[in-house]
Amino acid sequence: EAGVAQSPRYKIIEKRQSVAFWCNPISGHATLYWYQQILGQGPKLLIQFQNNGVVDDSQLPKDRFSAERLKGVDSTLKIQPAKLEDSAVYLCASSLIGQGTQYFGPGTRLLVL
Amino acid sequence: AQKITQTQPGMFVQEKEAVTLDCTYDTSDQSYGLFWYKQPSSGEMIFLIYQGSYDEQNATEGRYSLNFQKARKSANLVISASQLGDSAMYFCAMRGDGSGNTPLVFGKGTRLSVIA
Repeated sequence: EAGVAQSPRYKIIEKRQSVAFWCNPISGHATLYWYQQILGQGPKLLIQFQNNGVVDDSQLPKDRFSAERLKGVDSTLKIQPAKLEDSAVYLCASSLIGQGTQYFGPGTRLLVL
Repeated sequence: AQKITQTQPGMFVQEKEAVTLDCTYDTSDQSYGLFWYKQPSSGEMIFLIYQGSYDEQNATEGRYSLNFQKARKSANLVISASQLGDSAMYFCAMRGDGSGNTPLVFGKGTRLSVIA
């Protein structure tokens, strides 16, 4: 069974530019999460989807971050405009409905200069 | 709200020895789940083991076991017979609310280095 796929793996941009990350969850996983992991810390939730609806986006900086999950499968996370403090690893995870175990993708390492 | 505390920033262990990584948690929920993940330098978070708050027996998965002490609110990870490939960051996490799909709250992690 294929795992969670993410792209790109690495991205370097200058501040005020925009960037987008893509995630394809494990087949059949209705719940999808985006986490931000700053160096030296554990991941923190940005947004959670169930199918194509948002369950929790309370910690998403909505003035610059946006996310969508069209058709309840793939998801895209966008940052516009990026700030220096957005430098982090962005992790996508998925799980079955009612199952607590989340499976993570390889992450996207973002560096904002 | 849930909180996870990992007090060991880094740990060293000799190859083939056992090691315990500490994790304490705080929650007001009666039903919750505790997880351990491994994060190698490649960045991916790899699920290791899960313990439910109502599970009476400690969880085990191969060389990994979870020492769950509910009264002390601790969920320590024990790795037996350490291997060089075990060198990585280890994160303790929890979900509360009794629901299967609440987000995970992570600790700051412990960096484990296995020495030959």
